[in-house]
Amino acid sequence: DIQMTQSPSTLSASVGDRVTITCRASHSISSWLAWYQQKPGKAPKLLIYKASSLESGVPSRFSGSGSGTEFTLTISSLQPDDFATYYCQQYSSYSQTFGQGTKVEIK
Amino acid sequence: QVQLVESGGGVVQPGRSLRLSCAASGFTFSSYGMHWVRQAPGKGLEWVAVIWYDGSNKYYADSVKGRFTISRDNSKNTLYLQMNSLRVEDTAVYYCAREAQIYGDRDAFDIWGQGTMVTVSS
Repeated sequence: DIQMTQSPSTLSASVGDRVTITCRASHSISSWLAWYQQKPGKAPKLLIYKASSLESGVPSRFSGSGSGTEFTLTISSLQPDDFATYYCQQYSSYSQTFGQGTKVEIK
Repeated sequence: QVQLVESGGGVVQPGRSLRLSCAASGFTFSSYGMHWVRQAPGKGLEWVAVIWYDGSNKYYADSVKGRFTISRDNSKNTLYLQMNSLRVEDTAVYYCAREAQIYGDRDAFDIWGQGTMVTVSS
């Protein structure tokens, strides 16, 4: 199976900060990567697909980049609604895998 | 509106069985691949299984292979997960999720249900 490793596990930031989360794959996954946001007690929400494509309705402050084995999710200016946990997901193989998650906390 | 609603969760003893359902509405269910994803309490997301739009292919996580079976009834717009030989470590919220593209074989998940809790305990 392809392993996905996110860093950091927890991130403390303030409103207005630029935030970057990294996701590394154990094998090349081309651009078959998605990012999700999850708030407590809620289902995940798709933010980015195919590494850099913004899902409809998602604010433009979210962006994704990367290919192969290294990917990043960037929030250009953190808003109060963005404090949540973020997961990357590879869908290159039929046995899909998620990263362990990055919790973005208020500093 | 486009919606997925899971049901069938509950408390079950180790070794017993449970069947989850996911009712789809607001879209052409038979055109989309569907997945089950679970999340143990306080833990991250774990992909469980996928079934293609026409039911022709199914894949499972190693942790559930041989114990869980994914299926669908396109005439009823419903996805299922039959869980046998349940273990304490299967305790989780189980989500069904839709692939974003029709007739695809791999894609991100654009629609999720609200989840149903399964607790395996003696």
